[in-house]
Amino acid sequence: KAGVTQTPRYLIKTRGQQVTLSCSPISGHRSVSWYQQTPGQGLQFLFEYFSETQRNKGNFPGRFSGRQFSNSRSEMNVSTLELGDSALYLCASSTGQGTDTQYFGPGTRLTVL
Amino acid sequence: DQQVKQNSPSLSVQEGRISILNCDYTNSMFDYFLWYKKYPAEGPTFLISISSIKDKNEDGRFTVFLNKSAKHLSLHIVPSQPGDSAVYFCAASAEGSQGNLIFGKGTKLSVKP
Repeated sequence: KAGVTQTPRYLIKTRGQQVTLSCSPISGHRSVSWYQQTPGQGLQFLFEYFSETQRNKGNFPGRFSGRQFSNSRSEMNVSTLELGDSALYLCASSTGQGTDTQYFGPGTRLTVL
Repeated sequence: DQQVKQNSPSLSVQEGRISILNCDYTNSMFDYFLWYKKYPAEGPTFLISISSIKDKNEDGRFTVFLNKSAKHLSLHIVPSQPGDSAVYFCAASAEGSQGNLIFGKGTKLSVKP
């Protein structure tokens, strides 16, 4: 079974721009969660989508948004980029049922100049 | 306020010996705990998990112990191998927030030949 895939793997943007990241979950998984990893803050939860609905949300500003499609693929959008948004963005998929395990993709490295 | 803490940023162990990585948590609502291994510029790889109804779970060389009264869990790797060298993250989730994993800051394990 193919793992979680994320595109693109690397991105360079400038302040004020917006960016869209994509995540394709493991086949059969209906839940996709997004995380931001930075050296100072570690891995922080952004939001989770299950069956096209946002089910959980972390403490990030409204500039960070997401959506999920009927095939469970998910996109994350960051508008009005700031230097502090430079990070590794990770998505993880799971069945979304009960206490199940999240499996992570390789991440998208975003650099904001 | 960190809900999941890994107080040792690094650990060095000789090949063949036991590696013990520790994790403490503060939220008594956490009912599912996971350990992930991560290499730089890659997504975390799932290692092992434990539900709060158990106090031990084994998978090959990896064993996780959970002490609910102390709000403490540990990962034992026996025997340690050089390929185990990576950053290990402890994560926890609460019922109703399955898609939201709370991560510790990680412990960098170095296994020396």
